[in-house]
Amino acid sequence: KNQVEQSPQSLIILEGKNCTLQCNYTVSPFSNLRWYKQDTGRGPVSLTIMTFSENTKSNGRYTATLDADTKQSSLHITASQLSDSASYICVVNNAGNMLTFGGGTRLMVKP
Amino acid sequence: GAGVSQTPSNKVTEKGKYVELRCDPISGHTALYWYRQSLGQGPEFLIYFQGTGAADDSGLPNDRFFAVRPEGSVSTLKIQRTERGDSAVYLCASSLGGQNSPLHFGNGTRLTVT
Repeated sequence: KNQVEQSPQSLIILEGKNCTLQCNYTVSPFSNLRWYKQDTGRGPVSLTIMTFSENTKSNGRYTATLDADTKQSSLHITASQLSDSASYICVVNNAGNMLTFGGGTRLMVKP
Repeated sequence: GAGVSQTPSNKVTEKGKYVELRCDPISGHTALYWYRQSLGQGPEFLIYFQGTGAADDSGLPNDRFFAVRPEGSVSTLKIQRTERGDSAVYLCASSLGGQNSPLHFGNGTRLTVT
C-alpha cells in the first residue's frame, strides 16, 4: 500500500532557529516528491518538486533533500520567521500520476 | 493571474440535505482534483479529472458523492443526503497535467453538516 509518513507531527521553534522535517514513503513506482506549505484556512502551496534524479532543491530559506534509495526526504527551514508557522505536507507522485499525501507536520514559530 | 476559486467558502447544511460545491480552475489547466481534508490531517483524494472525463474516481467514499466537469473547466462536487461525517474542508486543485506539474489549490469549501 502506498503510504507517506511525516515526522514530527508537530514542532515548536523560536524565531530565527532552523528546523528539519522528515518524510518517509513507500510509494512505488516513484515519479516525484513534493513539499507543500498550508497556512491555516488556506489551500496548500507548492514549495518544491523533486524527481528521483534530484538530491537537493532549494526555494529561498527552504531546502528539500531526497534519497530515492532509502525513500526518505527532508525539508530544512533556515532562519525561521513567524510567517513560517503552517502545516508542511509531503506528497509523493507515482508513475500513474496518483498523489499520496502525508499527514503533515504542524510547525509553530514563536517570537 | 487568477488562481483556483472555490465557492462557497463556507457551507452549513442540515443532515439529509443536498449540497453542491463549485471549483473554477486556473484557465488552461486540464487536470482537476478534488480532495477532502479533516482537521489536523492531510488531504484525502476523492476524484481526478483529465479534461471532461473522470480519470480516477476511486477516492469517492460512496454513491452519495458525485462530481462533474462538463466542459473541461468548472467542476461541481455534489453530495446527496449529507451526513455529519461529511463535515470537512473540500479542496480543489488544478494543474497543467504533466507528471511534474505542481498542483494549484483553492482555499477550499468548509462544509458543516448539522
